[in-house]
Amino acid sequence: GAVVSQHPSWVICKSGTSVKIECRSLDFQATTMFWYRQFPKQSLMLMATSNEGSKATYEQGVEKDKFLINHASLTLSTLTVTSAHPEDSSFYICSASKGASNYGYTFGSGTRLTVV
Amino acid sequence: KNQVEQSPQSLIILEGKNCTLQCNYTVSPFSNLRWYKQDTGRGPVSLTIMTFSENTKSNGRYTATLDADTKQSSLHITASQLSDSASYICVVSEPDKLIFGTGTRLQVFP
Repeated sequence: GAVVSQHPSWVICKSGTSVKIECRSLDFQATTMFWYRQFPKQSLMLMATSNEGSKATYEQGVEKDKFLINHASLTLSTLTVTSAHPEDSSFYICSASKGASNYGYTFGSGTRLTVV
Repeated sequence: KNQVEQSPQSLIILEGKNCTLQCNYTVSPFSNLRWYKQDTGRGPVSLTIMTFSENTKSNGRYTATLDADTKQSSLHITASQLSDSASYICVVSEPDKLIFGTGTRLQVFP
């Protein structure tokens, strides 16, 4: 159990366009979902935490108007990178938590975003 | 500042050999400590999860240990395989967030 699906696995887009990444919990209800960004050979950096039905909480330095997060249901969260620029190119990973405790974090397979 | 430090940064071993990866942390209080395996271009996959009261946890050829007194954990890989080549990340949970180590990049050669 505890499978998190992330889509797409990779995407190439032009500068100035927007890209949406989906994160789904397939076999459990995720009250909380997390979005991370990872640069080559570095660890995961938390971007934001989203709870179903409420606004996401962004980490310091993350532009909430650029990285739009929606967590409309207990099984789906989306991250939209708006007006993408080459510096937004990175590996984006989501994770989902089963409940109030943070015991059961499961990660998605990641999305490689390349902005040209 | 709460930190999770891993060593070595990188490691090269021959197929069939054993290896041990280290994780030292200063996170306090913490809920649990996890080891993840991350293949290149993929998301992390959980190997073990231990609460502060657990000393050891095994998952196949992977065995994690935890010493909550010294705030150290290790991940021992037995009889390494080529498919073990990946980054191994130690993650310590605060009550409401995860603190990631920088990882150890393991390469297993035939």
